[in-house]
Amino acid sequence: EAGVVQSPRYKIIEKKQPVAFWCNPISGHNTLYWYLQNLGQGPELLIRYENEEAVDDSQLPKDRFSAERLKGVDSTLKIQPAELGDSAVYLCASSLTRGGEQYFGPGTRLTVT
Amino acid sequence: QKEVEQNSGPLSVPEGAIASLNCTYSDRGSQSFFWYRQYSGKSPELIMFIYSNGDKEDGRFTAQLNKASQYVSLLIRDSQPSDSATYLCAVNRGNQFYFGTGTSLTVIP
Repeated sequence: EAGVVQSPRYKIIEKKQPVAFWCNPISGHNTLYWYLQNLGQGPELLIRYENEEAVDDSQLPKDRFSAERLKGVDSTLKIQPAELGDSAVYLCASSLTRGGEQYFGPGTRLTVT
Repeated sequence: QKEVEQNSGPLSVPEGAIASLNCTYSDRGSQSFFWYRQYSGKSPELIMFIYSNGDKEDGRFTAQLNKASQYVSLLIRDSQPSDSATYLCAVNRGNQFYFGTGTSLTVIP
């Protein structure tokens, strides 16, 4: 069974530029999460989807971040414009059920210069 | 008060010893508990999850949950150098997941 797929794996952009990350969850997993992880910290939730509905986006900085999960399968997270402080690893995870164990993708390491 | 607290370490154990990793959580409404292993530069990998009080064993790993004391631990028996990583504790409460900052474990050959 294929795991969670993310792309790109690495991205370097200049500040004020836009960037987008893509995630394809494990087949059949209805719940999808986007996390941000800084060095030495645990993952911090940005947004959680149940199928195509964003059910928890309270931690998403909506002035610059947006996300979508059309058709309830793959998802895209966008930042526009990027700031230096956005440099981090962006992780996507999925789970079969709400509250169930999550499986993480390899992450996208973003560097904003 | 943080939802999930872990000692950041580093914790060092000799090869073959038992490594004990601990995690406390603040909300008694927490329902399920997870341990993830994260190698440097990699994403978290699920090791175990536990829902009920007591112990749950899987190979060399044992998760222990004590809801009365609000702690969950992970024991790694016969520690190997390949177990050297950061171990993240995660807690689910009302479908919200909260991660600790992780404990760094080094197994010395």
